[in-house]
Amino acid sequence: AQSVTQPDIHITVSEGASLELRCNYSYGATPYLFWYVQSPGQGLQLLLKYFSGDTLVQGIKGFEAEFKRSQSSFNLRKPSVHWSDAAEYFCAVGPLSGNTPLVFGKGTRLSVIA
Amino acid sequence: EPEVTQTPSHQVTQMGQEVILRCVPISNHLYFYWYRQILGQKVEFLVSFYNNEISEKSEIFDDQFSVERPDGSNFTLKIRSTKLEDSAMYFCASSEEASNQPQHFGDGTRLSIL
Repeated sequence: AQSVTQPDIHITVSEGASLELRCNYSYGATPYLFWYVQSPGQGLQLLLKYFSGDTLVQGIKGFEAEFKRSQSSFNLRKPSVHWSDAAEYFCAVGPLSGNTPLVFGKGTRLSVIA
Repeated sequence: EPEVTQTPSHQVTQMGQEVILRCVPISNHLYFYWYRQILGQKVEFLVSFYNNEISEKSEIFDDQFSVERPDGSNFTLKIRSTKLEDSAMYFCASSEEASNQPQHFGDGTRLSIL
């Protein structure tokens, strides 16, 4: 069964510092990979997705993620964090068919300090 | 940009009562989903719906749960007799028919069972 691991429960970074959130997945084939962000009291907003092709994908709000098949990883990065980036970040895998459910990691909570 | 809308944003219900959570998916989307997120835990899949029937459901989606698309726009989740452990954030999502299209999420309904 597919699974997603986000090893960091909570990360604190200084505003302006770089950020990397880790995500590892377990899947039988090359998955579709996603990062969603959840601000407090809000829903899940899609940051970026990987389906195929270039392993470095660009998303909204200056985020990018790199798919590394050899490491089964899809880490999220941002070169310079803004205070408004404080939120919960979820990595997800799937679906390969139109109605296969997404499998989410437990999330990483990002705090940004001045 | 079109979005998934959910109502109400917060629902407080007595244990044992029925509750209906409502969702309006994006208009040209054909796949619909419900997920839930218990406070502090990860987002979990409940059910997917396509072509007016359930496509897939998780272990969580027992006989107390049902889904319906009563008209051309709404997609509802009904919990027949709520339990304390049903307290959670419930997210509706929808996606286009093509398999490489991401799921778009609503802002969620916070369900509190007293």
